[in-house]
Formats: sequence, C-alpha cells, structure tokens
Amino acid sequence: AQKVTQAQTEISVVEKEDVTLDCVYETRDTTYYLFWYKQPPSGELVFLIRRNSFDEQNEISGRYSWNFQKSTSSFNFTITASQVVDSAVYFCALRAPEGYQKVTFGTGTKLQVIP
Amino acid sequence: ETGVTQSPTHLIKTRGQQVTLRCSSQSGHNTVSWYQQALGQGPQFIFQYYREEENGRGNFPPRFSGLQFPNYSSELNVNALELDDSALYLCASSNGPAVNTEAFFGQGTRLTVV
Repeated sequence: AQKVTQAQTEISVVEKEDVTLDCVYETRDTTYYLFWYKQPPSGELVFLIRRNSFDEQNEISGRYSWNFQKSTSSFNFTITASQVVDSAVYFCALRAPEGYQKVTFGTGTKLQVIP
Repeated sequence: ETGVTQSPTHLIKTRGQQVTLRCSSQSGHNTVSWYQQALGQGPQFIFQYYREEENGRGNFPPRFSGLQFPNYSSELNVNALELDDSALYLCASSNGPAVNTEAFFGQGTRLTVV
C-alpha cells in the first residue's frame, strides 16, 4: 500500500519569507516517482517537479528547491522569497509501477502568502 | 495551459440522477486518467483508459464507469448520484500508461449533488 502524508494543513507566511512544505511517503516498491503539484483556485493541477527513487540529488529551480531523502522517506519543497502568486494548495504525490498511472496524493498544504 | 480540456466546468445534479463528464486529451496522448477530489482532500484515482480500454481502477463502485473514444477523448459516467459524489473531477492525459510518462491535468469539472 502507498501513502503520502502532508502534515501541514495550512501555512501562512509574509511575502519574501522562505517556506518549506513537508512530505513523507510510504511504499514497498523500490522503483517509484515522487511529484509536487500546485493547485491554484482555478482547480488545475500544475506540475512542478518529478523525482525517481534512484535520484536523490536535490534540485533547485529558480525560487523552488526540493530535498529528497530516501533514508527518512521525505521529499520536502522549499520556496525562497515567497510571493503572493505562490498562494495555492500544494500536493505531494507518489507513483509506483502498478502497470497504470495510479498516483497517490497527499491531502495538500494550503499556502497563503500575505503581502 | 496543458491542452487538456474538460466540460462542463460546473454542474449541479439531483441525488439519484446520472451525469456524464467529458475530457479531451492533449494532442498525441493516448491515455486518460480520472480523479475525484473532494473538498479539502487530495485527488483520488478513479480509473485509467489506455487505447480505449480500462487498464486500472481505484476503489470506486461500479456506478462509476468510463469510455475512451478512438480520438482518445474520454467520458466519466456516474449513475445513481449520491451527495458524497460532490467533488472536483479531474482528468489527466499522458502519452502512454508507463509510470515514467508525464501526465497533464485539466481544470476539472466541479459537480454538486443536491
């Protein structure tokens, strides 16, 4: 069974602060993919990053960075110098090779960036 | 925008009725997955269609059914609607069902059952 836990339900930060969104996952598969999606009020899930289980390199993309640690089954997401446009619900997700694209999502973290 | 379009955007139905939601996949994509997202929750996988056949299903009852057409667009049908079926329904398209292929989501259909 797969599980994704996002313990932070809602986070509020003041603009320009850094914020880290936590994600812990469970799976018995040795090969899997982890994702982060952003869901603005419009509803569409916007893909942010994909990581496979064999690549533990941390990644930075502009103001976004991700810290993947297999030892603790965590895949945390940091926004540096947050902006109001970052306000959204962020989902961490896990996909394992079950022969079809079943993706297990966490319950999401609602981020509010206050100007 | 991802190129995945869903219709309608909003819908209100009465308990017991039937509903059909539609999804046009991104050009070149032959796989469509459907998700149900209840308010305040993460999306839950309903099923996936690959080349017009269902090739995976989540924990949803048989009254949730689907179709995929030769142009790879898809429909989600829900019979005997219940109040708990109120949710945002998302479809995602991809170029194949393999785990490492990227999926692109539409904006969803918000269904309200009264």
